[in-house]
Amino acid sequence: QVQLAQSGAEVKKPGASVKLSCKASGYTFTHYAIHWVRQAPGQRLEWMGWINAGNGNTQLSQNFQGRFTITRDSSANTAYMELSSLRSEDTAVYYCARGSVVAGGWFDPWGQGTLVTVSS
Amino acid sequence: DIQMTQSPSSLSASVGDRVSITCRASQSISSDLNWYQQKPGKAPKLLIYAASRLQSGVPSRFSGSGSGTDFTLTISSLQPEDFATYYCQQSYSSPYTFGQGSTLEIK
Repeated sequence: QVQLAQSGAEVKKPGASVKLSCKASGYTFTHYAIHWVRQAPGQRLEWMGWINAGNGNTQLSQNFQGRFTITRDSSANTAYMELSSLRSEDTAVYYCARGSVVAGGWFDPWGQGTLVTVSS
Repeated sequence: DIQMTQSPSSLSASVGDRVSITCRASQSISSDLNWYQQKPGKAPKLLIYAASRLQSGVPSRFSGSGSGTDFTLTISSLQPEDFATYYCQQSYSSPYTFGQGSTLEIK
């Protein structure tokens, strides 16, 4: 079945970097996109950006430009989200989700989420 | 950015009740509206896409309607497993924004 498996929880100090992974299985990775969505404690879901797993094109929401980078390794069926210069307000659960390579569309399925805690 | 506003933010209901949650977009989004269910500590799950299309495997008691700026998610007869938080999301234009969520609690 189609699944997205995300890397484990991370605890980082302010200013550090972290790279989250999202490994796809059960479908042809390069035929779809991977989206990243953040959920801070008690907050709504917030779309961060997406990568076309086929051609590697990316788009980041303006709110996440500058410190966030999305990449993929199609040979490993894995997408990555790298967060740099971490701040306490980056503490959140980060989800990846499969989407269409055409802009827009719905997200299904979702990974289980990765909790990132930023604390000194 | 397109703002998505859900109402109510929380509601209490009983097993067997019919409930509806509404979602309003700050501008027309055609039928580019999706609904997700999220249970505590779990990832969201797609229920309805393109405003009214039921995702495969989702019980038929869930339905969606609307177009333009106003949308509704309806659960025809609540089951114990339906108590969760529901989010709408617009996929009309980037950034693909979500509503603030509607939490359905047991009365």
